[in-house]
Amino acid sequence: DTEVTQTPKHLVMGMTNKKSLKCEQHMGHRAMYWYKQKAKKPPELMFVYSYEKLSINESVPSRFSPECPNSSLLNLHLHALQPEDSALYLCASSQVGDEKLFFGSGTQLSVL
Amino acid sequence: RKEVEQDPGPFNVPEGATVAFNCTYSNSASQSFFWYRQDCRKEPKLLMSVYSSGNEDGRFTAQLNRASQYISLLIRDSKLSDSATYLCVVGVGFQKLVFGTGTRLLVSP
Repeated sequence: DTEVTQTPKHLVMGMTNKKSLKCEQHMGHRAMYWYKQKAKKPPELMFVYSYEKLSINESVPSRFSPECPNSSLLNLHLHALQPEDSALYLCASSQVGDEKLFFGSGTQLSVL
Repeated sequence: RKEVEQDPGPFNVPEGATVAFNCTYSNSASQSFFWYRQDCRKEPKLLMSVYSSGNEDGRFTAQLNRASQYISLLIRDSKLSDSATYLCVVGVGFQKLVFGTGTRLLVSP
């Protein structure tokens, strides 16, 4: 019943694959986020988009490439990932200037 | 020192008990504070914002102590459904939130 939709829910990929994670929201929010969460750890911020422009990149390796094609969509393009990149990838959205985050249910990523 | 620290627990309490969690933060310039709840294998969900004057939402009360840089969450009359991990979240810059490691609560019958 979340209003932020992430696809796919599960993804298994090899280290040479290219894949994309997708996130969509229709709440009119203009800030969107990618977080990474390893098991038994808190979510860690990766990227923030405000008004479809990248505003925060938390020194994420270039094998992760975010894209915000419009105000409702957020993608995370993956290329040449490592096994240690296996994690739950969470998308969130909020109003700009309001830090109440609404999370999607996440994509559980396994890199083999 | 971590930016946001919490006792990981678990806190094991019987139904009906009152339980309190604390969280400390290191950035004195932080302006926004929240408690989120995360169930196993689910996404975090906002439980409540935390204001300087303290705020209450039903059985949940949140307090902020800026001088000591800590935040608390009190849960009264615990229910089985309160079993979850409670994440303390602090705003450390524009649109930048840092999550604490979380405190696990187990409420038993």
